[in-house]
Amino acid sequence: GENVEQHPSTLSVQEGDSAVIKCTYSDSASNYFPWYKQELGKRPQLIIDIRSNVGEKKDQRIAVTLNKTAKHFSLHITETQPEDSAVYFCAASAQGGSNSKLTFGKGTLLTVNP
Amino acid sequence: KAGVTQTPRYLIKTRGQQVTLSCSPISGHRSVSWYQQTPGQGLQFLFEYFSETQRNKGNFPGRFSGRQFSNSRSEMNVSTLELGDSALYLCASSLELHSSLFFGEGSRLTVL
Repeated sequence: GENVEQHPSTLSVQEGDSAVIKCTYSDSASNYFPWYKQELGKRPQLIIDIRSNVGEKKDQRIAVTLNKTAKHFSLHITETQPEDSAVYFCAASAQGGSNSKLTFGKGTLLTVNP
Repeated sequence: KAGVTQTPRYLIKTRGQQVTLSCSPISGHRSVSWYQQTPGQGLQFLFEYFSETQRNKGNFPGRFSGRQFSNSRSEMNVSTLELGDSALYLCASSLELHSSLFFGEGSRLTVL
């Protein structure tokens, strides 16, 4: 089955700096890659997603890139703010296949210091 | 539009007991998935339901079961509880089987 590795497990940055979180996946059939943000005590919330027919997607201060050949994708947050502090999860799935469940990485705790 | 609703939010059980958790998806969403979240293992997939049928199942023992009703509401059951079952159980709904997931707040289960 799919295996998703996420790095780093913790990341501390100064307000205004950029943050990058990287994930690798094992199943070449995976074609859908969402990112979720989970604040302390809250539910995971979808912040951005990318499909395998696209190499990059941006939404204001966040962007995701996908390298299908290397089977890795990354989340980039620019001009970080204290409210960006949360656990971020990447995930992968082979949508349209018989086994389309989302497999999550173990998460990255991002701390943005004021 | 109301979000995904899970009940109960918190519960405490003892080893050997059983528990039933409930999930009401976003109105119009027909697919429901369940995940177990623990500090060490992250989000682990339990099951996925669509049109009252289990479409996918994760690598959990048979003590974990679920079902979906005709109104898309779902329940999961854990029998013969073990200490290691202590976790946050998250339900997520999606419009269709392969579309974006929207999570509920979760049911936090503590097994003593």
